[in-house]
Amino acid sequence: GAGVSQSPSNKVTEKGKDVELRCDPISGHTALYWYRQSLGQGLEFLIYFQGNSAPDKSGLPSDRFSAERTGGSVSTLTIQRTQQEDSAVYLCASSLIAGTYNEQFFGPGTRLTVL
Amino acid sequence: KQEVTQIPAALSVPEGENLVLNCSFTDSAIYNLQWFRQDPGKGLTSLLLIQSSQREQTSGRLNASLDKSSGRSTLYIAASQPGDSATYLCAVHHGGATNKLIFGTGTLLAVQP
Repeated sequence: GAGVSQSPSNKVTEKGKDVELRCDPISGHTALYWYRQSLGQGLEFLIYFQGNSAPDKSGLPSDRFSAERTGGSVSTLTIQRTQQEDSAVYLCASSLIAGTYNEQFFGPGTRLTVL
Repeated sequence: KQEVTQIPAALSVPEGENLVLNCSFTDSAIYNLQWFRQDPGKGLTSLLLIQSSQREQTSGRLNASLDKSSGRSTLYIAASQPGDSATYLCAVHHGGATNKLIFGTGTLLAVQP
């Protein structure tokens, strides 16, 4: 079946602009995660959704970052007033359930470049 | 705070060689450990997941072991092939209210034909 999909695959924006990144999880997966991969920082957790609620937003680096999930499916990560340090690959993952058996499946990522 | 380290950072081997990638973590209170591969410019492909109660998992030429008490996991790749060239990442999962994965620093593997 279809895996996790993300759009766009690449996004180039100017400093100060807002961007929206989209994630479509695997159908039926209740848990959804956003991660960021940047040079020098490795892969870091941003936010976790269980259904439509986000019990863990601890990884969001600033209040310019927000995310929502509607209908227990698609999620959007929004970055307001982008800065050059926001340049990174943003990865989305989903898992069937959140719990001890929690194999996460990742999408191809969105490469964000802030000029 | 959980820290995950992978050694070596980079590895180059001739085709056909068996190899071992290492992953260590500082907090042994994990629910599971997952190994991924990442090809350049691509997302992550899940290779193996080991639950905390398990000692090892096997998939084809891959075997992953877990020693929770010592905070270590190894990924063994048998009879390596050029197509195995990629970055390999391990990640630990604490479960509970925080279901995030904490990733290691990665090992860049190059298998020379």
